[in-house]
Amino acid sequence: DGGITQSPKYLFRKEGQNVTLSCEQNLNHDAMYWYRQDPGQGLRLIYYSQIVNDFQKGDIAEGYSVSREKKESFPLTVTSAQKNPTAFYLCASSISRATFLNEQFFGPGTRLTVL
Amino acid sequence: KQEVTQIPAALSVPEGENLVLNCSFTDSAIYNLQWFRQDPGKGLTSLLLIQSSQREQTSGRLNASLDKSSGRSTLYIAASQPGDSATYLCAVKGKLSFGAGTTVTVRA
Repeated sequence: DGGITQSPKYLFRKEGQNVTLSCEQNLNHDAMYWYRQDPGQGLRLIYYSQIVNDFQKGDIAEGYSVSREKKESFPLTVTSAQKNPTAFYLCASSISRATFLNEQFFGPGTRLTVL
Repeated sequence: KQEVTQIPAALSVPEGENLVLNCSFTDSAIYNLQWFRQDPGKGLTSLLLIQSSQREQTSGRLNASLDKSSGRSTLYIAASQPGDSATYLCAVKGKLSFGAGTTVTVRA
């Protein structure tokens, strides 16, 4: 089955801790994205990557970091510098490097709660 | 900056009624527009992608129209069913911007 997987589904973090959210895709897509979703708001772009070993900041990158060492994987680290990390995090991918022009496919999401 | 608005935020209809969901955007210089469905606590499922050169796109009971000059897209869902209950989001692409969504409840 081709698709995007995210793990874990639920994540709890104490204040001051860094946590890493996993995103894997087997669609052979070049581009991958991380979004944050808060209640009553549209999705906001955190980071995106068009190709391995390259990534760009989105609209709300502060307090987050990413890596893209493999085409299939785009993990997101939520650092202690992120002031309000409790949210639903969604990973997506699209087929080509024409990043925002192509149809995007989403994973099931990770709900992060800071205790 | 592109602003995307979806009104109303919530909608409740009886089963069988046609649904009309609206998406407005402020900058008409878009590449395309994508409609998604999101079930509670889940990721987004792509419904339709409509290119900037297209006026509409259809898939089964779904039809999306696009009027760039007025900054509007409309998603029509014919003969609604309880399984259509979900939140529907539109995303406008140039710089990718999402609306907050319309939460639909179809009453049996």
